[in-house]
Amino acid sequence: DVKVTQSSRYLVKRTGEKVFLECVQDMDHENMFWYRQDPGLGLRLIYFSYDVKMKEKGDIPEGYSVSREKKERFSLILESASTNQTSMYLCASSKGQPNSPLHFGNGTRLTVT
Amino acid sequence: AQTVTQSQPEMSVQEAETVTLSCTYDTSENNYYLFWYKQPPSRQMILVIRQEAYKQQNATENRFSVNFQKAAKSFSLKISDSQLGDTAMYFCAFMKPANFGNEKLTFGTGTRLTIIP
Repeated sequence: DVKVTQSSRYLVKRTGEKVFLECVQDMDHENMFWYRQDPGLGLRLIYFSYDVKMKEKGDIPEGYSVSREKKERFSLILESASTNQTSMYLCASSKGQPNSPLHFGNGTRLTVT
Repeated sequence: AQTVTQSQPEMSVQEAETVTLSCTYDTSENNYYLFWYKQPPSRQMILVIRQEAYKQQNATENRFSVNFQKAAKSFSLKISDSQLGDTAMYFCAFMKPANFGNEKLTFGTGTRLTIIP
């Protein structure tokens, strides 16, 4: 089974802090994704990567950046956390083949105070 | 851009009954993929079922089946003989094929389903 591991289940940070959310997958998947989940808004794509050192903006990239130095690891960075970034963050991965389903981590609930 | 609409924010049904969750989408593509994901209280998103748009036959996975109406751009999920473990948030998702296998999913806003004992 594919395992996607997010480093923290809950995280509390202060406004202005730099925040790192880490995600690791163990199935040699080419694609990795960061989504944000908010009530009534569903899942919205922040950034995705289809190869090492490659990244593309999703639908809501503002205030975020990402890093993919190794194939198995995809990091989401909040350069200066703000209260409107309080949310559930979901990492996912998939094989680089058509119609490959996404495999998700358990999510990180981030609270910015 | 593609959009996915789930018009039922919440639903509840008695255990062992059948329930249908609706999903519509908007796209100009002819070939694409559709998915239903389940997110139980544990937060782990799990793939329930998927459908290729070029296949006319509706997908089925045990108690889960879909009613795919391509012309109407509708993709509903039917859960038969519902069980307490089906209580979860259900998300409909759309995937447009892309080059090099780097597709991404567009999700609906979700339907919170509660199975009542």
